Amino acid sequence: GDSVTQTEGPVTLSEGTSLTVNCSYETKQYPTLFWYVQYPGEGPQLLFKVPKANEKGSNRGFEATYNKEATSFHLQKASVQESDSAVYYCALRVSGSFNKLTFGAGTRLAVCP
Amino acid sequence: EAGVTQPPRYAVLQEGQAVSFWCDPISGHDTLYWYQQPRDQGPQLLVYFRDEAVIDNSQLPSDRFSAVRPKGTNSTLKIQSAKQGDTATYLCASSFGSGGYEQYFGPGTRLTVL
Repeated sequence: GDSVTQTEGPVTLSEGTSLTVNCSYETKQYPTLFWYVQYPGEGPQLLFKVPKANEKGSNRGFEATYNKEATSFHLQKASVQESDSAVYYCALRVSGSFNKLTFGAGTRLAVCP
Repeated sequence: EAGVTQPPRYAVLQEGQAVSFWCDPISGHDTLYWYQQPRDQGPQLLVYFRDEAVIDNSQLPSDRFSAVRPKGTNSTLKIQSAKQGDTATYLCASSFGSGGYEQYFGPGTRLTVL
């Protein structure tokens, strides 16, 4: 079946430092890849998606490039803020799956001022 | 526009008791999803509907779990005879269509089974 594996957390960073959260996936079908963010007490919300190989998605200073050859989709941000503290999930949807999402286990990020 | 609502936010019960989770999706969204999110894990899809029809319920853990959406709007997820392993947050999401449209999640109901 389809699966997603991402950096184990928690990840603790100081404000202004850079972030990388690794994500790799396995599927035999054509994927669309997503990053979601979840704040305490809330449901996950879409950060951005990238539907095509070798394209980049970005939002709020976060970005990720879909590397089809490496089956990876790493999340990056050049300079994190305390407000970025949350749990980040990589997810995939495969073609013909009626919008079914498969999520990774999540990476908890804590940013210290 | 109101988001997905899921009262109550918390539920605590003893093993063997039944519990129902309720979801009011975003108005006009025809597709509704239920996810189970154990602590420190990602959401796992349980079942989803297009209007009142079940599209896929193959991920429901057992016959103790059931879900309905009788009028194609609100939905109820029920656990009969809950077990400690059912402890998790139950999330509802909705989307307009099932062909790749963004899913919007509610805050979830956190269930603790003692």
